[in-house]
Amino acid sequence: QSVLTQPPSVSGAPGQRVTISCTGSSSNIGAGYDLHWYQQIPGTAPKLLIYANNNRPSGVPDRFSASKSGTSASLAITGLQAEDEADYYCQSSDSSLPASVIFGGGTKLTVL
Amino acid sequence: QITLKESGPTLVKPTETLTLTCDFSGFSLSTYGVGVGWIRQPPGKALEWLGFIFWDGEGRYSPSLKSRLAITRDTSENRVVLTMTDMDPVDTATYYCARRGGNSGFIDFWGQGTLVTVSS
Repeated sequence: QSVLTQPPSVSGAPGQRVTISCTGSSSNIGAGYDLHWYQQIPGTAPKLLIYANNNRPSGVPDRFSASKSGTSASLAITGLQAEDEADYYCQSSDSSLPASVIFGGGTKLTVL
Repeated sequence: QITLKESGPTLVKPTETLTLTCDFSGFSLSTYGVGVGWIRQPPGKALEWLGFIFWDGEGRYSPSLKSRLAITRDTSENRVVLTMTDMDPVDTATYYCARRGGNSGFIDFWGQGTLVTVSS
């Protein structure tokens, strides 16, 4: 069982907006550790999508955005496209082990 | 251009020790804040962090696997090595080498991954 909790699946039609939640605790997200998001297309390595809560690496469309509040965070995708169908993972660290890496269980996004 | 590439056996037997190598280029592991390490993903399952080695030589390991893991570096060769003892079929997974880019803790570059199967 993952330290960070994500819904197993979400879905949306092309053009719609979807959100993916990531819930942690007072020892990780709530402790102020940054939250990051990755996109993994099946059969490929994960790709950094959002870093440090709400920053997009170069090349990531602005359709992707994220926020963090308290012990939870969320990823939003607007203008859903078929190519967005993938697994999404949140990641942070935990005060029990500084510089550690903890992942969410992943969310499968299906574009209907 | 930053790249990381994993190499090693694709099949190991139960109780054996796994050794995987990560050859990287385009950055230095001596740069402040940088870490290189390993993340694995069993087929159809979530990502699982194994550990990192950092610019200062310090290592950090997943508490649940710490007793079985060792991550070492060869700074001059731009290489990081993962050693995992007492392999079990549940350790069957794709093993990714990855770079931790800075103190914020995100992983900015990943290798393509290598599938390791544990079976007799």
